[in-house]
Amino acid sequence: AQSVAQPEDQVNVAEGNPLTVKCTYSVSGNPYLFWYVQYPNRGLQFLLKYITGDNLVKGSYGFEAEFNKSQTSFHLKKPSALVSDSALYFCAVRDTLGNEKLTFGTGTRLTIIP
Amino acid sequence: EAGVAQSPRYKIIEKRQSVAFWCNPISGHATLYWYQQILGQGPKLLIQFQNNGVVDDSQLPKDRFSAERLKGVDSTLKIQPAKLEDSAVYLCASLAGGSYNEQFFGPGTRLTVL
Repeated sequence: AQSVAQPEDQVNVAEGNPLTVKCTYSVSGNPYLFWYVQYPNRGLQFLLKYITGDNLVKGSYGFEAEFNKSQTSFHLKKPSALVSDSALYFCAVRDTLGNEKLTFGTGTRLTIIP
Repeated sequence: EAGVAQSPRYKIIEKRQSVAFWCNPISGHATLYWYQQILGQGPKLLIQFQNNGVVDDSQLPKDRFSAERLKGVDSTLKIQPAKLEDSAVYLCASLAGGSYNEQFFGPGTRLTVL
């Protein structure tokens, strides 16, 4: 069965500093990996995805993520945090084997401190 | 393009009552999903439709939950009778093309069962 772990419930970063939100996954085959962001009272918004190819993926709002197959990780990063980045972030995985279900992590609340 | 529409945005009911949620996906998106997001957790898939057929309803509590997508466009999710533990945000998402593509989410319906 596929699974996703987001080990940190809460991450606090000072404005202007680099940020990292961690994600590890488990699948039987190869993964499709996604990051979504959720603002209060809003649905999830797509940030970026890894399907194949370059391990460094660039997405919306200056975010990027690095796929590391040996560590089964897909950490979300941004070089310089903005207060407006404060939100709930979800990592999700789909196994290329078996069904097409997308499995989400439990989410990490990112707070950027001015 | 217009996004995924959901209504109502908020609903408060008493336990054992019935409730229905509506979703209109992005035009042309053949795949539609209903997720349940309990506070502090990631979204959990309830049911997936491909056009008007059910692809996966393995996590739908079928004794009380039902969903339909009769014409392959909009969809309705119903709970009858509701329990306290059904309090959650119900998210609808749609997808164009293959599962390597990102899902687009609606704003969700926040259900409170008293």
